[in-house]
Amino acid sequence: EPEVTQTPSHQVTQMGQEVILRCVPISNHLYFYWYRQILGQKVEFLFSFYNNEISEKSEIFDDQFSVERPDGSNFTLKIRSTKLEDSAMYFCASSGDRVIIGYGYTFGSGTRLTVV
Amino acid sequence: DAKTTQPTSMDCAEGRAANLPCNHSTISGNEYVYWYRQIHSQGPQYIIHGLKNNETNEMASLIITEDRKSSTLILPHATLRDTAVYYCIVVNAGGTSYGKLTFGQGTILTVHP
Repeated sequence: EPEVTQTPSHQVTQMGQEVILRCVPISNHLYFYWYRQILGQKVEFLFSFYNNEISEKSEIFDDQFSVERPDGSNFTLKIRSTKLEDSAMYFCASSGDRVIIGYGYTFGSGTRLTVV
Repeated sequence: DAKTTQPTSMDCAEGRAANLPCNHSTISGNEYVYWYRQIHSQGPQYIIHGLKNNETNEMASLIITEDRKSSTLILPHATLRDTAVYYCIVVNAGGTSYGKLTFGQGTILTVHP
């Protein structure tokens, strides 16, 4: 079964440093999403990406976040100047259809970011 | 998207059916009911979805009431590996949401030996 791959699985960084989280979505999917989950809290939407641009973003997704598709398939989520409160699991997901028919989203296994 | 209400936690004996309820009384006509689960901080996993009719797949069954204000996810023969947080999510099939999922707290299902 196709998978969404995220690397690294765990990243520890010092406060104020920049981190890059990577995601390889399922190859024929068109819609892409990032979510985060602070330990013990709900899964929160960060942003969605379609047609080479951000289609929707939450208030969490502020100027410290940026996203790129350097080779047109893989994603990088960059967090500039990390803060302690950025510590969370970050999940990438992809979907083949906006209506999410069929098997729906496929989530990656996540990157655990720890800011110290 | 319509808000959902789920019990905080439920227990189930291994081998028995687990019935997880969800209320979505403000659901609108073009909103689907989706169920996902999350096993111990892994990425959420799609289980099943439906609009009006009951649905069944290899993982579970989804029963949606006729007025669509509530639904029940049924795991017919729960195993220890089904211990997870189960999320009932209502998703607008159209509009400009581009399929954003709004997760609540979900139901913590614990399957006991």
